[in-house]
Amino acid sequence: DSGVTQTPKHLITATGQRVTLRCSPRSGDLSVYWYQQSLDQGLQFLIQYYNGEERAKGNILERFSAQQFPDLHSELNLSSLELGDSALYFCASSDASGTYNEQFFGPGTRLTVL
Amino acid sequence: AQKVTQAQTEISVVEKEDVTLDCVYETRDTTYYLFWYKQPPSGELVFLIRRNSFDEQNEISGRYSWNFQKSTSSFNFTITASQVVDSAVYFCALSQDTGNQFYFGTGTSLTVIP
Repeated sequence: DSGVTQTPKHLITATGQRVTLRCSPRSGDLSVYWYQQSLDQGLQFLIQYYNGEERAKGNILERFSAQQFPDLHSELNLSSLELGDSALYFCASSDASGTYNEQFFGPGTRLTVL
Repeated sequence: AQKVTQAQTEISVVEKEDVTLDCVYETRDTTYYLFWYKQPPSGELVFLIRRNSFDEQNEISGRYSWNFQKSTSSFNFTITASQVVDSAVYFCALSQDTGNQFYFGTGTSLTVIP
């Protein structure tokens, strides 16, 4: 158990809808990272937040957004969903302000868009 | 351009055989970090090792060893005397200072046959 929690575990929704994925980092970790894992794109870094502020942006679509709250939990919002957004979304946390340290991954949220 | 290349998509070995997973990376930064993660069938990503660009010493941890060679931009992972529990997808990853980005390779699926 990495200490990172993600909810929900599974999510099934329809095209055009909006969903919110939630992540709680390990106790003491200030950074949260979001990743998307799909069959065609592999594992892609989406975005990182450190202590409430956006630190790095990867291949995140404009339809997606994230935020980190004062209690350090983070939410990833996906809107105007398309079939191609179906994927496993991972959250990770670390004690680093960048991407240079070991990251602890949550169990993931499997999103299915029908 | 692919930042991290794992040319071996799938490998099968018989239990107790040694196996090497290849990883080739690309970066112009002088400071960078390389990682290996394991994704067992359960799906959660597990950190295995982190190396920085200034430390080319090889590392051994039990049956696992890593060979980092800057001259060939490679960071290969060897499992000695493989076991069925080693069956998983293994990802090599690069953390780059420029843009604070994190890149995963496409992964190598290892099957250890009893």
